[in-house]
Amino acid sequence: DTEVTQTPKHLVMGMTNKKSLKCEQHMGHRAMYWYKQKAKKPPELMFVYSYEKLSINESVPSRFSPECPNSSLLNLHLHALQPEDSALYLCASSQARGYTEAFFGQGTRLTVV
Amino acid sequence: AQKVTQAQTEISVVEKEDVTLDCVYETRDTTYYLFWYKQPPSGELVFLIRRNSFDEQNEISGRYSWNFQKSTSSFNFTITASQVVDSAVYFCALSEANGRGGTSYGKLTFGQGTILTVHP
Repeated sequence: DTEVTQTPKHLVMGMTNKKSLKCEQHMGHRAMYWYKQKAKKPPELMFVYSYEKLSINESVPSRFSPECPNSSLLNLHLHALQPEDSALYLCASSQARGYTEAFFGQGTRLTVV
Repeated sequence: AQKVTQAQTEISVVEKEDVTLDCVYETRDTTYYLFWYKQPPSGELVFLIRRNSFDEQNEISGRYSWNFQKSTSSFNFTITASQVVDSAVYFCALSEANGRGGTSYGKLTFGQGTILTVHP
């Protein structure tokens, strides 16, 4: 099973709303990631969690707040977003040791209005 | 700094044609990992292959083959006898070892992607 599940698949939110994106994997991976992908662009790394601890924050604005409650779950809390934050948000997971590839979910298509 | 260049923005072929997607990379590390991902319209990035920097063996998987040449810093991807279902955006990506015993944490640097359209 190489599945990473993301919910919701689509989300429309106002600039004053608070919402959360969820990601789940059951591959025993101890590294999880959030990527942001704008239309016709490659994914860009936002955050990396390793063994449930935040190890990389790529200078992401504080209106994005990640959380890793356990080794299978990864959340991205959204608050006071801007229209330019509209994008596809991809979650991925991988082994945290050894030579490994990342497996991605289908993403959440976020529209900020 | 690392960089991945996919010079072909879009490629259009007719079904059953062979097509090669080019990928050139730059890195200062001696240990690194190269990947190809496929992104269909549904949005999910589908892992296709990983190649470690110390393993220059080419690989074939069904209609897919990969040619890794360190001398030219290239990792090209060929689809033989293309099919309509191959239509997607293909990304080449690079990950450097993070210094902890050569592990790769999935911090990927992607190329700009190549949009492949296969017409019936």
